[in-house]
Amino acid sequence: GENVEQHPSTLSVQEGDSAVIKCTYSDSASNYFPWYKQELGKRPQLIIDIRSNVGEKKDQRIAVTLNKTAKHFSLHITETQPEDSAVYFCAASINSGGGADGLTFGKGTHLIIQP
Amino acid sequence: NAGVTQTPKFQVLKTGQSMTLQCAQDMNHEYMSWYRQDPGMGLRLIHYSVGAGITDQGEVPNGYNVSRSTTEDFPLRLLSAAPSQTSVYFCASSYGEPGELFFGEGSRLTVL
Repeated sequence: GENVEQHPSTLSVQEGDSAVIKCTYSDSASNYFPWYKQELGKRPQLIIDIRSNVGEKKDQRIAVTLNKTAKHFSLHITETQPEDSAVYFCAASINSGGGADGLTFGKGTHLIIQP
Repeated sequence: NAGVTQTPKFQVLKTGQSMTLQCAQDMNHEYMSWYRQDPGMGLRLIHYSVGAGITDQGEVPNGYNVSRSTTEDFPLRLLSAAPSQTSVYFCASSYGEPGELFFGEGSRLTVL
């Protein structure tokens, strides 16, 4: 099955600086790569996703890049703010065309924004 | 819309007891799934369903059963609880093909 590795496990940055979280996946058939944010005690929520026919996607301060050849994708957060403090999960999924398989998640990155 | 509703939010069981975690969604989503979240382990898929009457195993299915008799409901049954099943359980749904997963609030289960 799919295996998703996520690094780093903890990331501390100064407010206003950029943060980058990286993930690698094992199955070249994976074609959907979402990122979820989970605040303490809350449910995970989708913040951005990318499909394998796209190399980069942006949404305001958040961007995701995908390198299919190297099988890795990254989350970039610019101009970090205190409300960005949370645990971020990457995930990968294989869409077999007839239905949805389960998402395989990375183990998460605890992002800490230092004031 | 209530979205994805899970009950109970908290539960304490003794080893060997059985219980059912309920999950319901009112968004007419075909795809539903159950994950468990343990510290440092991320979210691991237990079982999922791509529609009523269809279920499949995920990464960690042992000790759990599911059924999908309706589009709305996807209960998770623990057959004989073990301390290793102490975890936070999330139910999630999405419209169909891999897309945004909508999670429930989670159910914290402790097995003594």
